[in-house]
Formats: sequence, C-alpha cells, structure tokens
Amino acid sequence: QKEVEQNSGPLSVPEGAIASLNCTYSDRGSQSFFWYRQYSGKSPELIMFIYSNGDKEDGRFTAQLNKASQYVSLLIRDSQPSDSATYLCAVTPDAGGTSYGKLTFGQGTILTVHP
Amino acid sequence: ETGVTQSPTHLIKTRGQQVTLRCSSQSGHNTVSWYQQALGQGPQFIFQYYREEENGRGNFPPRFSGLQFPNYSSELNVNALELDDSALYLCASSYSERGLNEQFFGPGTRLTVL
Repeated sequence: QKEVEQNSGPLSVPEGAIASLNCTYSDRGSQSFFWYRQYSGKSPELIMFIYSNGDKEDGRFTAQLNKASQYVSLLIRDSQPSDSATYLCAVTPDAGGTSYGKLTFGQGTILTVHP
Repeated sequence: ETGVTQSPTHLIKTRGQQVTLRCSSQSGHNTVSWYQQALGQGPQFIFQYYREEENGRGNFPPRFSGLQFPNYSSELNVNALELDDSALYLCASSYSERGLNEQFFGPGTRLTVL
C-alpha cells in the first residue's frame, strides 16, 4: 500500500463546476496535510494546509480532513480553466517544531477545467 | 520578502560525473528540504537540513549528500551520476520553530544525465 494515494485522474470538469480531489494516507500518526498545485513544467505551489479535523476554507478552496478515516480532500468551487494543473496531496508525520517535517507526496491528480 | 531560488535552472551531465545544485531559502526561513521529482510522479524526499545539520533522510543512497550554510542556503551534491538520476530537483524552505511546517518550493533544477 502506498503511503499517500490520490484518486486516479485525469479529472475533467466544466467551468463553474466543483472539482473534488481526494487523498488517503496510511500513517495514522500523520499530523499535517497539504495541497500543492503544480502547473506543467513548474514547481509545486502551496495552496492549502490543514492540521485539525473538519473543514478549512480559503476563497474558492476548501480542505477537508478526517483523521479517523485517514482521508483528506480538496474542493475547488467555481472551477476556472486557470485551475487546470496537477494537484499534489502531501502529509507529514509531525506538526512541525524542531523535529523534521518530511513531506510524503501522492502521485498527483491531473485536473482539467474546460470552458 | 524574497522567495526560494535555485541554480542552475537546467543541467546536462554524463553518467559517472558529479553535480552540485544550490538553493537559497526564503527570507526568514531556517530549514531546507530537498526533493527529487521524476516525470509524472510526486516529489520524493531526499533529506532536510536544519541549523546546518541533516535532520532526516529519505531512501536515497549516500552518493546524495548536502550542506546547509550559516545563512540557511543549501547545496545538494550527487556523485557518480546514474541515468535514473535524471529528474527535477526541488528545494523547499520552511521555518520550523513556529511549530508549523509549510514548505515553499523553489523553481527547481532540471537535471539530465546522458
């Protein structure tokens, strides 16, 4: 079993729709959860992070975390063609501080938003 | 605020050679992590440096080594290059002492080994 798994893509949604990206993780001790967006040929860009169970909203983005189910998701409302990218889920085993925060990434989900 | 920078942008080497990649962390950050991203895959953790010491290492052989300098910039060295080392090498900086771990990536160095 992979440490971090994302729903296989590619995912295609029409402009204005809600895009739902899912991620499961195997390490129950994981503490920090991140969503990165990566445009083709570019480096990952941090768009959301979440540490506590529940929902966290930032503009059109909502991250949802359920530690009991070892599941984290990203919802993108009112999807735009500019949201077309690869979305990477990443987890760390600790909440930061002075211990190291290795990011373990999923394989990514390619999202295409078509006009 | 200055973001994470990496050099060079692209590099072509031949098998068996050695390479040094450089990273300058974001202003105010004290921790640098290095990742390798093969085409179509998520980044893989190589190692992390905090206060000039290695602070965790992924599943990479010893020919991958690094340094962190007093100004928190960092180098990744790879000896005896192999064809499979061809990848995008990403540096990420963070500020560990806030109890947070948001890591911000530089633009990456694309390494091609022939």
